[in-house]
Amino acid sequence: SQKIEQNSEALNIQEGKTATLTCNYTNYSPAYLQWYRQDPGRGPVFLLLIRENEKEKRKERLKVTFDTTLKQSLFHITASQPADSATYLCALQVDYKLSFGAGTTVTVRA
Amino acid sequence: DARVTQTPRDKVTEMGQEVTMRCQPILGHNTVFWYRQTMMQGLELLAYFRNRAPLDDSGMPKDRFSAEMPDATLATLKIQPSEPRDSAVYFCASGLFGTVSKAFFGQGTRLTVV
Repeated sequence: SQKIEQNSEALNIQEGKTATLTCNYTNYSPAYLQWYRQDPGRGPVFLLLIRENEKEKRKERLKVTFDTTLKQSLFHITASQPADSATYLCALQVDYKLSFGAGTTVTVRA
Repeated sequence: DARVTQTPRDKVTEMGQEVTMRCQPILGHNTVFWYRQTMMQGLELLAYFRNRAPLDDSGMPKDRFSAEMPDATLATLKIQPSEPRDSAVYFCASGLFGTVSKAFFGQGTRLTVV
């Protein structure tokens, strides 16, 4: 069956450090992998998209890698700030279907 | 700013009642999704439409849930009859898939079935 698995544990890090989140998938051949941020009581907000033929994508302090052989994406938040505290969701797109992992909650301590 | 609008924001209903949730997608978007989010299951895909045609509703309990897009400005999700296990936050999202391919989410409808 198809699965999308993210870090099961919440991540607590010190301000200024790098947070690294993992997204693993099985039985998918996604054309795109996306990352979203969700704050409490709100809908997810798109952050980054990486295509299957791309290895790495950067946007400001965010970096995403995509390894289709390992079936894994890593999401990095560098120089983390308390404002980065949120739940981060990975999503796989196959054709028009967008399926999400359960998310990883990140808390950045000042 | 264009946004996805969902109504109602909160709904409390008694078991057995019909519930209708509405979504106004962003104008021009060709793909509309319905998701359900719970602590236990995360964000589950219930159904999605492309150009108003249903593509996949395999994530929905067929006997009680139905999703439609009567026109390009309205998507509906109905539950009849509702059960306590349906309590969750229901999100609608829309996107221009095939080009930009990112989803824009509404604020969600928090449903409580008592």
